[in-house]
Amino acid sequence: AQTVTQSQPEMSVQEAETVTLSCTYDTSESDYYLFWYKQPPSRQMILVIRQEAYKQQNATENRFSVNFQKAAKSFSLKISDSQLGDAAMYFCAYGNQGGKLIFGQGTELSVKP
Amino acid sequence: DAGVIQSPRHEVTEMGQEVTLRCKPISGHDYLFWYRQTMMRGLELLIYFNNNVPIDDSGMPEDRFSAKMPNASFSTLKIQPSEPRDSAVYFCASSPLGGRMETQYFGPGTRLLVL
Repeated sequence: AQTVTQSQPEMSVQEAETVTLSCTYDTSESDYYLFWYKQPPSRQMILVIRQEAYKQQNATENRFSVNFQKAAKSFSLKISDSQLGDAAMYFCAYGNQGGKLIFGQGTELSVKP
Repeated sequence: DAGVIQSPRHEVTEMGQEVTLRCKPISGHDYLFWYRQTMMRGLELLIYFNNNVPIDDSGMPEDRFSAKMPNASFSTLKIQPSEPRDSAVYFCASSPLGGRMETQYFGPGTRLLVL
């Protein structure tokens, strides 16, 4: 069975600085997707970024980028130029071949002005 | 597009009562997922449908929970009878054709409190 681990329950970053959230996963599959979702206090789950496992190039969406290390089964999220609106719970998720999403426990990010 | 629509947004009920949560997926999406989020267990998949057919219900906690999708634009998750431990946020999500590993789009969730 696949598992997703986020080892940082809480992180803090100064506004305008850069922060990296960690995620590791365990799988025997070779074809899968990885996602980062953001959950602000409103509880809405918002897609931040996704990565296809077959692509070597790391995904980037504006200030958000990932460091995907397939051999190490690591998928970290880097947020550059952090903004107050980035404060939220961030979930790493693994999408398996059956269509399921398996979520990590989440990392709560706070942004200090 | 209106996104995934869930109702009600909040539900407070008493133990033993029947609870029905509703979901309207994004038009044209073929996959529909029901998730539950609690502090103890995090986000867990309960059941998902493809073209209105339940594919995997292994996450449904027990027989008190049931889900249906009578057509492509509507799904329900029912709890009968409800118990305090069912208190959670329930999310519905949908994904487009080729839903396997496609991005899932989440609704705003239903916050359920069972007293």
